[in-house]
Amino acid sequence: GENVEQHPSTLSVQEGDSAVIKCTYSDSASNYFPWYKQELGKRPQLIIDIRSNVGEKKDQRIAVTLNKTAKHFSLHITETQPEDSAVYFCAARDSSASKIIFGSGTRLSIRP
Amino acid sequence: EPEVTQTPSHQVTQMGQEVILRCVPISNHLYFYWYRQILGQKVEFLVSFYNNEISEKSEIFDDQFSVERPDGSNFTLKIRSTKLEDSAMYFCASRRLAGLSTDTQYFGPGTRLTVL
Repeated sequence: GENVEQHPSTLSVQEGDSAVIKCTYSDSASNYFPWYKQELGKRPQLIIDIRSNVGEKKDQRIAVTLNKTAKHFSLHITETQPEDSAVYFCAARDSSASKIIFGSGTRLSIRP
Repeated sequence: EPEVTQTPSHQVTQMGQEVILRCVPISNHLYFYWYRQILGQKVEFLVSFYNNEISEKSEIFDDQFSVERPDGSNFTLKIRSTKLEDSAMYFCASRRLAGLSTDTQYFGPGTRLTVL
């Protein structure tokens, strides 16, 4: 089955700097890659997603890139702000299944 | 904007007791899910449900677990005889199957289950 690896597990960046979180997936049939932000004690919130027919997607300060050949995808947050502090999860889903397989999460801290 | 809702927000139970966790998916969604998250760990898939039957389940979803859609709005997860290791946050999610953004799963706020 699908396996998603995520790194780093923790990331601390200065406010205003960029943050990058990287994930790899194992199943080449996977075609949908969402990213979720989870604040302490709250539900995972979808922040951006990308489908396998697209290499990059951007939404204001957030961008995601996908390299299907290497089975890598990454989240980029620019001009980080204190409210970006949270745990971020990457995930993948293949076309034959409905479930989402999550990565292990990255705890992002923004230093003032 | 419609949201997935879950009750209760926190459930404390004794080991061996049965618990039922309740979810109300978004009204025009047809695909429903349960996930769980042990404290400090990643979110894990338990089961998906479509057209009144289980469409997929993980190894975690053993005979102690069951799901049901007892009426047109609720979706429940039952754990027959809880174990200490069932302590976790349980998230319900739903997905629409027609129109835009059919891939997106929307998560409820979760039920924190504590087994003593």
